[in-house]
Amino acid sequence: EAQVTQNPRYLITVTGKKLTVTCSQNMNHEYMSWYRQDPGLGLRQIYYSMNVEVTDKGDVPEGYKVSRKEKRNFPLILESPSPNQTSLYFCASSSGPVRDEKLFFGSGTQLSVL
Amino acid sequence: QKEVEQDPGPLSVPEGAIVSLNCTYSNSAFQYFMWYRQYSRKGPELLMYTYSSGNKEDGRFTAQVDKSSKYISLFIRDSQPSDSATYLCALEKTSYDKVIFGPGTSLSVIP
Repeated sequence: EAQVTQNPRYLITVTGKKLTVTCSQNMNHEYMSWYRQDPGLGLRQIYYSMNVEVTDKGDVPEGYKVSRKEKRNFPLILESPSPNQTSLYFCASSSGPVRDEKLFFGSGTQLSVL
Repeated sequence: QKEVEQDPGPLSVPEGAIVSLNCTYSNSAFQYFMWYRQYSRKGPELLMYTYSSGNKEDGRFTAQVDKSSKYISLFIRDSQPSDSATYLCALEKTSYDKVIFGPGTSLSVIP
């Protein structure tokens, strides 16, 4: 089954404790992206990657890191999480330009930073 | 002014009603328009995509784009309880450009 898998689904952590949210897709997609979703603000792009070893900042990259060492994986790293990073995070992938190929989203990771 | 605006709702309608969901945008450079549906505790999924002014129909769903007014709509005919979800409009300016999502409208269809 074609899917984007994120882990964990729920995460509670404390300020400053490094964490990684994993994302994996099994569709051989070149394009992958991370979003955060906050009430009233919608989905905002954090980072995206057009292919292996190619990453770029989205709208809200501060406080986040990503890497794309393999085509299928695109982890999101929070080196020193802060409470304002409490949010619902989604990973997404696509085989081509977003307008032509739909974005497949993972089921989300609800992060709470205390 | 936000680039894309949507009425957050919640919108509650009886089963069988016609639903109208709307987005307005401020930048005339947007060329491509999408609607995503998001069920509770799930990621969004693409519902419809269009790139021109006018209507596009897919079953019970019709997407309408009015570029001159910077206004897009999604109509749902014969709404069903399974349509209860949050609907996000999404816009893109050019190929390989980032997609801008609206904040979403929450819809409940009551049996």
